[in-house]
Amino acid sequence: EPEVTQTPSHQVTQMGQEVILRCVPISNHLYFYWYRQILGQKVEFLVSFYNNEISEKSEIFDDQFSVERPDGSNFTLKIRSTKLEDSAMYFCASSRLARDTQYFGPGTRLTVL
Amino acid sequence: GQNIDQPTEMTATEGAIVQINCTYQTSGFNGLFWYQQHAGEAPTFLSYNVLDGLEEKGRFSSFLSRSKGYSYLLLKELQMKDSASYLCAVGGGGADGLTFGKGTHLIIQP
Repeated sequence: EPEVTQTPSHQVTQMGQEVILRCVPISNHLYFYWYRQILGQKVEFLVSFYNNEISEKSEIFDDQFSVERPDGSNFTLKIRSTKLEDSAMYFCASSRLARDTQYFGPGTRLTVL
Repeated sequence: GQNIDQPTEMTATEGAIVQINCTYQTSGFNGLFWYQQHAGEAPTFLSYNVLDGLEEKGRFSSFLSRSKGYSYLLLKELQMKDSASYLCAVGGGGADGLTFGKGTHLIIQP
C-alpha cells in the first residue's frame, strides 16, 4: 500500500540555523500539506500546496517558513532561522483531491537547542 | 474560526464498546474525519463523514449530525492495541487544512 515517507526521522539543530524537512507524498496525490504537533498538544495545520503553489497557509506559517516541490517526487519544508519554540513533530500529508482524505507520513521530530 | 471539543481521556475494558464524542463550531464545513494516533506516531485515518448518519467500517463506526455540530466514534470489541489517542478533525469551508481537536486518550484495561 502506498504511503507518505519523510526524512529525517529526527533532526537536532541549533537555534538560528536553517533546516529542511523532506517528504515524498503518495505518487498519484495532487495536494500536499505540512502540519506540526508540539509535544502534548494538538496537530496544527501549517500549509497546503497544489499545482506548484501554496493553496492555503495558517497564521503559524510566517516568513521563516517556505515550501517547495523541487522535483516530481519531493516536497520540502524549510525553516529559515529556527527558534526554540519550533521544536515539534512535523508531519507531511497528501491527498488525491482537495478536501479528500489526508494520509500522514511518520513525521520528523525537530529539536532546536 | 473553528473550535473542536472532545474529552481528554477515557477508560474502557477489553472486549467492550466505547463512544468518543466530538462537538465542533465552524465557519464552514466540508467533512469530519477521525484519526487514530499512537504515542510518537503519525495520525492514521479511520473514518470520514460529510453527510448526516452513520458510517460503519468493521469494528469502527462514526456518526455525524451537522445541525448539532456533533460526531461520535464508536469502537466495538475493544482490543488492547486500541489504546491510543483519537483525533477529531474538521475540514472547513473552502480551506484545505484540517482543524484538529486536542484528541481523546483512550486507555484499554484488561
